[in-house]
Amino acid sequence: ETGVTQTPRHLVMGMTNKKSLKCEQHLGHNAMYWYKQSAKKPLELMFVYSLEERVENNSVPSRFSPECPNSSHLFLHLHTLQPEDSALYLCASSQSEGSYEQYFGPGTRLTVT
Amino acid sequence: KNQVEQSPQSLIILEGKNCTLQCNYTVSPFSNLRWYKQDTGRGPVSLTIMTFSENTKSNGRYTATLDADTKQSSLHITASQLSDSASYICVVGGSWGKFQFGAGTQVVVTP
Repeated sequence: ETGVTQTPRHLVMGMTNKKSLKCEQHLGHNAMYWYKQSAKKPLELMFVYSLEERVENNSVPSRFSPECPNSSHLFLHLHTLQPEDSALYLCASSQSEGSYEQYFGPGTRLTVT
Repeated sequence: KNQVEQSPQSLIILEGKNCTLQCNYTVSPFSNLRWYKQDTGRGPVSLTIMTFSENTKSNGRYTATLDADTKQSSLHITASQLSDSASYICVVGGSWGKFQFGAGTQVVVTP
């Protein structure tokens, strides 16, 4: 285990649903990240939080809404998703923003029907 | 165009054989290069990290090399095992806090 947990591991939702992904890190890190991983494509960085403050938002559609209530928890709120949003969503943490080493959670496999 | 290109996209090798994966990058300025292993249904796990001044680093049967002049890296797997079946991802760190990911090489080790 990497010290980063994600729930749920699998999620199927309709385009009109609202759901949330949860990430928790037990490493005492100060930075957390959301990535999207689609088949045969590089990981896409979505959001970066440093000390609970969002420091990066890579042109992600507003139907994805992140929340970082404290340095150990990160959420990704989902609403009105599209089928092309189906992917593996990975959470990661690092000691600080820009640290060499990122520790990844197991991911949430999201299917939008 | 992605600044980190990995090859091959996939490969199949027999258990016990060696293989080498390639990573070419154009990221500049260069800070560090990491190789991750991602098992099916799991998140990536770091194998090696190299900075500009390092040209080789080993982690068990995994050996990574880096040529910062030609902007190339390789990951060599020695005496492959079934548990080596996974996707191997090259990640290049550029200016502070910015990383570029390769699309990964899918390795399948067969008995």
